[in-house]
Amino acid sequence: DIQMTQSPSTLSASVGDRVTITCRASQSISSSLAWYQQKPGKAPKFLIYWASSLDSGVPSRFSGSGSGTEFTLTISSLQPDDFATYYCQQYLVYPFTFGPGTKVDIK
Amino acid sequence: EVQLVESGGALVQPGGSLRLSCAASGFTFSDHYMDWVRQAPGKGLEWVARTRNKANSFTTEYAASVKGRFVISRDDSKNSLYLQMNSLKTDDTAVYYCTRGPRVFDIWGQGTMVTVSS
Repeated sequence: DIQMTQSPSTLSASVGDRVTITCRASQSISSSLAWYQQKPGKAPKFLIYWASSLDSGVPSRFSGSGSGTEFTLTISSLQPDDFATYYCQQYLVYPFTFGPGTKVDIK
Repeated sequence: EVQLVESGGALVQPGGSLRLSCAASGFTFSDHYMDWVRQAPGKGLEWVARTRNKANSFTTEYAASVKGRFVISRDDSKNSLYLQMNSLKTDDTAVYYCTRGPRVFDIWGQGTMVTVSS
C-alpha cells in the first residue's frame, strides 16, 4: 500500500497568515493527489484534485502543488472559515489512502 | 441539489451484522462509481470499498481490513448504495460516509455512526 504522511500534524496560525501543509507519499503517485478539508462533526469537503486543480467554488486563496512524492497545500491568507483539519489522499492505486491529517487551529 | 444521505448505523455486538444504506439525489447515480469511507472516533479517514458502474460491470474493490466481511452493492433503480457488514469487530467502530468517485471523492454524505461493542 502507498503510505501518506503529512506535516505538521498541528499548525497554529492567525487570520491573515500564509499557511503551508506538506504531504508525502511512500512512492511516486505522479499528480494523483487530492486535498480535503474537514470541520468537527462534519463530512470532509473536497478542495483540490490532480495536486493543483481547485474544485469549483473553492476560494482562490487555496493552492496546491507538487508531483511524485512531495506535495503542498497553501492557504495564502488564512480566514476564520479555514480553521479545520486537512487531509491529502492518493488515488493512483488501490487501496486509496489518506494522510493522517493536519489540524489548523487558532494561535 | 446533489446529495447523499446515509442511514442504518447502530450499536451492534462483536460478530454481528449491519447493513448501511445511502440514498443519492441530484445527479445521475447510475453513471458514477460509488465508495464508502470511514472514520474511527478521533482518527483519520480510511477508504473501505468501491462499486463501479454498470458500464464497468459493477465490479468492486475492498480495503484489506474489510475484504471477506463487507459487501458493497448498489441498486441504480433506487439510486441507492449499500454496505453489508458481517463479522463486525470493535475496530470497525466509525462514522461511515458514502462518497462519489471515481478518483477523488467530490460528494460526501453526512455519515452514519456504527458502534461495535458488547
